[in-house]
Amino acid sequence: DIQMTQSPSVLSASVGDRVTLNCKASQNINKYLNWYQQKLGEAPKLLIYNTNNLQTGIPSRFSGSGSGTDYTLTISSLQPEDVATYFCFQHNSWPTFGAGTKLELK
Amino acid sequence: QIQLVQSGPELKKPGESLKISCKASGYTFTDYAMQWVKQAPGKGLQYMGWINTQTGKPTYADDFKERFVFSLETSASTAYLQINNLKNEDTATYFCARADAWGQGASVTVSS
Repeated sequence: DIQMTQSPSVLSASVGDRVTLNCKASQNINKYLNWYQQKLGEAPKLLIYNTNNLQTGIPSRFSGSGSGTDYTLTISSLQPEDVATYFCFQHNSWPTFGAGTKLELK
Repeated sequence: QIQLVQSGPELKKPGESLKISCKASGYTFTDYAMQWVKQAPGKGLQYMGWINTQTGKPTYADDFKERFVFSLETSASTAYLQINNLKNEDTATYFCARADAWGQGASVTVSS
């Protein structure tokens, strides 16, 4: 199975900061990479699909990029409601999730 | 709007069985496979597999081939996850999901 490594595991940032979360695959996943946001006690929510496509209803401060094995989720201006854990998910082959990045407010 | 509504929390003893339901609405049930995801307490997401909602054919991750059963009641737009011979390590929240919509999760606690 493809291993997905997210970094950092915990990120502390201030409101208004530009935040970058990373996800590295153990092999080429051909941009079949989704990003999910999970707030405490809730189900995950799809933010970005296939690397850089913003899901309907998701604020434009979220964006995704990447190719090959390396992918990034960027929040252009962090808001208090963005506190959550973020998971990457590859569906190029047998689907696998990353372990998550916990985003906290500084 | 698209909704996946799961059954309520379960408290079971080791060795028992349970069946979680996931009722879909707001779309044609057979147009999308239904996926299942496990989240143990305080842990990440583990992909369990999916069921083809047109054919009923399930596909399981290696860790879920033994005691786990995906099934459908297509007339009711409902998918099911059955777990047999429950073990303590099955304690988790189980989600049904399309790629773009998730159920609210079903909490399962296994304890003697």
